[in-house]
Amino acid sequence: DAGITQSPRHKVTETGTPVTLRCHQTENHRYMYWYRQDPGHGLRLIHYSYGVKDTDKGEVSDGYSVSRSKTEDFLLTLESATSSQTSVYFCAMGSAGVTDTQYFGPGTRLTVL
Amino acid sequence: GENVEQHPSTLSVQEGDSAVIKCTYSDSASNYFPWYKQELGKRPQLIIDIRSNVGEKKDQRIAVTLNKTAKHFSLHITETQPEDSAVYFCAASDEGQFYFGTGTSLTVIP
Repeated sequence: DAGITQSPRHKVTETGTPVTLRCHQTENHRYMYWYRQDPGHGLRLIHYSYGVKDTDKGEVSDGYSVSRSKTEDFLLTLESATSSQTSVYFCAMGSAGVTDTQYFGPGTRLTVL
Repeated sequence: GENVEQHPSTLSVQEGDSAVIKCTYSDSASNYFPWYKQELGKRPQLIIDIRSNVGEKKDQRIAVTLNKTAKHFSLHITETQPEDSAVYFCAASDEGQFYFGTGTSLTVIP
């Protein structure tokens, strides 16, 4: 579990404010993912990265952007937060690609007022 | 895109009984099917997975079966214990994207 961390772990912000969540891994995994978890919806993929500066959209990417300038860091940005983006956000890492195990970070609880 | 459906949404069993959770998927290109356990307030943790070239896999009290023709896969937990109580998620992987079911809340009654 210590191989992947998220910051902050909790955040409360106001509608219209930009927010950046950080995911940091120390395992040199190639793939990293951002999910949101909401009651009744399970885990939904927002964006993922398959290498430095290589990213792609997931199922619910609208309103979110990502960046990966280093292997170990994957940032998720909400340019202008909305109340519908109140959720628990999990990042995950994987090594060998689409058929490899994903290891999840501890999660970030974001509240947009 | 892929659509994963998971049933039931809640499941209660007596300690020692078996529990079965079922998932269906829509995209025949999906080739990797992990199962995760999530305890309250914790991160999802992988408990077992199966790839499309395998029909069944077992790890102690946990087993997963896959029927590619029918596009469904199931999680079987035998001899359930109170510590098995959690939310379980299935997922299907296709072209770098993982699609999750909506989860099953399992309660094991002592």
